[in-house]
Amino acid sequence: EPEVTQTPSHQVTQMGQEVILRCVPISNHLYFYWYRQILGQKVEFLVSFYNNEISEKSEIFDDQFSVERPDGSNFTLKIRSTKLEDSAMYFCASSVQGISNQPQHFGDGTRLSIL
Amino acid sequence: DQQVKQNSPSLSVQEGRISILNCDYTNSMFDYFLWYKKYPAEGPTFLISISSIKDKNEDGRFTVFLNKSAKHLSLHIVPSQPGDSAVYFCAARITGNQFYFGTGTSLTVIP
Repeated sequence: EPEVTQTPSHQVTQMGQEVILRCVPISNHLYFYWYRQILGQKVEFLVSFYNNEISEKSEIFDDQFSVERPDGSNFTLKIRSTKLEDSAMYFCASSVQGISNQPQHFGDGTRLSIL
Repeated sequence: DQQVKQNSPSLSVQEGRISILNCDYTNSMFDYFLWYKKYPAEGPTFLISISSIKDKNEDGRFTVFLNKSAKHLSLHIVPSQPGDSAVYFCAARITGNQFYFGTGTSLTVIP
């Protein structure tokens, strides 16, 4: 069964550094998402992306965050200047367009640790 | 802002019995609800969904019930199996693609 893949599985970065989290969504999916889960807390929506632009974003997704689909397969989340509170699991997800109410398929996440 | 709440952080059930996981929400505009299952070190996996126009949806051992007047959602697993041990998240959507997740309930099925 096709799956969403995320790399790296664990990223350790110094505070203030830029970090790029990578995702390869399922190939026929057209909607892409990023979520994060701070340890012990709920999964939080960050952003959704469709047709090469952001379709929705939460208040968490401020100017420090950006997303990009640089080619036909990758979907990236960039954090420009990381803060300690950015430490979390970041999940990428994708879903099919065209049929309403399709569930999102999640990757296994990237654990981001900011030192 | 906790629009979706799962008030039980954990639940233990004997194998073969029914597991009932509960979820409450505050926003009456939610139109679509899902349950996800998550194992450690993996991403959430979709289990079952229900539209706000229905009050029940069944898929094998999993049934989701929606009580709109009470703003309450529940997931029933019958019979429970040890492999069902995981964290279960409910999620809800208003429109579009932004989903609000609960904090999860950790289910342990005891053999």
